[in-house]
Amino acid sequence: GENVEQHPSTLSVQEGDSAVIKCTYSDSASNYFPWYKQELGKRPQLIIDIRSNVGEKKDQRIAVTLNKTAKHFSLHITETQPEDSAVYFCAASLGSTDKLIFGTGTRLQVFP
Amino acid sequence: DARVTQTPRHKVTEMGQEVTMRCQPILGHNTVFWYRQTMMQGLELLAYFRNRAPLDDSGMPKDRFSAEMPDATLATLKIQPSEPRDSAVYFCASGLTDPHMNTEAFFGQGTRLTVV
Repeated sequence: GENVEQHPSTLSVQEGDSAVIKCTYSDSASNYFPWYKQELGKRPQLIIDIRSNVGEKKDQRIAVTLNKTAKHFSLHITETQPEDSAVYFCAASLGSTDKLIFGTGTRLQVFP
Repeated sequence: DARVTQTPRHKVTEMGQEVTMRCQPILGHNTVFWYRQTMMQGLELLAYFRNRAPLDDSGMPKDRFSAEMPDATLATLKIQPSEPRDSAVYFCASGLTDPHMNTEAFFGQGTRLTVV
């Protein structure tokens, strides 16, 4: 069935360093790849997304890259800050059905 | 500030009892998702609807779970009978699906269910 794998499960970085989270998906028909941030006890919130017709998208300190051939996409956070500490989820939408399947999450800790 | 509203926020119930969780999607949204979040399983898709019709509920245990949309402003997820292993946070999310673009899902605050 459809599957999204996410690595690493935990990531600790020093403030100011970069953080990279990687995901792979199984269905080549997937064409929408959002990233969600979930702070402790709160709802997941969309931080950035990318569609299959582009290879990279940036929004200030956050960037996503997509490699459709290899079926993987990544989240890059530069100049990390303590408030970036949260669980990050990648997801893939399976073709036109818009069925969103999530990865298992990455707990990011940014130490001051 | 349009938001997805879920009730109740917290529910503690005894094993065997019926539990109903409610979701009010953002006005105008036509796609509704139900997810279950546990520490072990992450965000697990249970069911989703488009224009009130169920499109996929393959992730939902059919013997005890049911999901419906009585109208465009209300989605329900029911568990009967509930079991301790159902303890989790249940999220509803809604989005607008257009023929030319995929859905961006906005999440509600979740219902934290504890079955004792």
